[in-house]
Amino acid sequence: NAGVTQTPKFQVLKTGQSMTLQCAQDMNHNSMYWYRQDPGMGLRLIYYSASEGTTDKGEVPNGYNVSRLNKREFSLRLESAAPSQTSVYFCASSEAYTGGTQETQYFGPGTRLLVL
Amino acid sequence: LAKTTQPISMDSYEGQEVNITCSHNNIATNDYITWYQQFPSQGPRFIIQGYKTKVTNEVASLFIPADRKSSTLSLPRVSLSDTAVYYCLVGVPFSGNTGKLIFGQGTTLQVKP
Repeated sequence: NAGVTQTPKFQVLKTGQSMTLQCAQDMNHNSMYWYRQDPGMGLRLIYYSASEGTTDKGEVPNGYNVSRLNKREFSLRLESAAPSQTSVYFCASSEAYTGGTQETQYFGPGTRLLVL
Repeated sequence: LAKTTQPISMDSYEGQEVNITCSHNNIATNDYITWYQQFPSQGPRFIIQGYKTKVTNEVASLFIPADRKSSTLSLPRVSLSDTAVYYCLVGVPFSGNTGKLIFGQGTTLQVKP
């Protein structure tokens, strides 16, 4: 199993350009998440998808859109990139079973995005 | 979601035991305490989770006092490869009502030779 995979690993954009970050998981997880991490800071949730067909805003959704394409794939789109969106983007997934313990999230390797 | 407070950084030497304490004064009855580890240029990974008392796995131990207002992650005999950022998270069972893990700044552990 590859776990959570992200593409691309690194991207440079000019201000105003658009791009889509791709994420896929092969663990049959129901929930998927997008985070951003800025230097010296923890992760902040951008959007999440509790299950296929649903998406919800996280802490910092402005400037982003997401698509839960199917159970495996969850993409993050920047319609008009800005320098403030320079960051490392992590995708994660979790099983989302009912009840029980706080869920474990499994993270991808990240995408480093530089917006000039 | 309960707010957590942990030291920004800690230094240690190889072979020592490291204890990282996290404060979560407003922890709710249903909250669990979970620790994640993040190496440079990688995504976080789950280390350990507990509700009360003590939990131990092959990587670490988690000590939670009776009032649950704090918790301590214990790493036995650290090595250079344990240099990472450690995050303490407190949250409710997801139950499909997902799932907002709150990552603070974490504790940057530097292990020296």
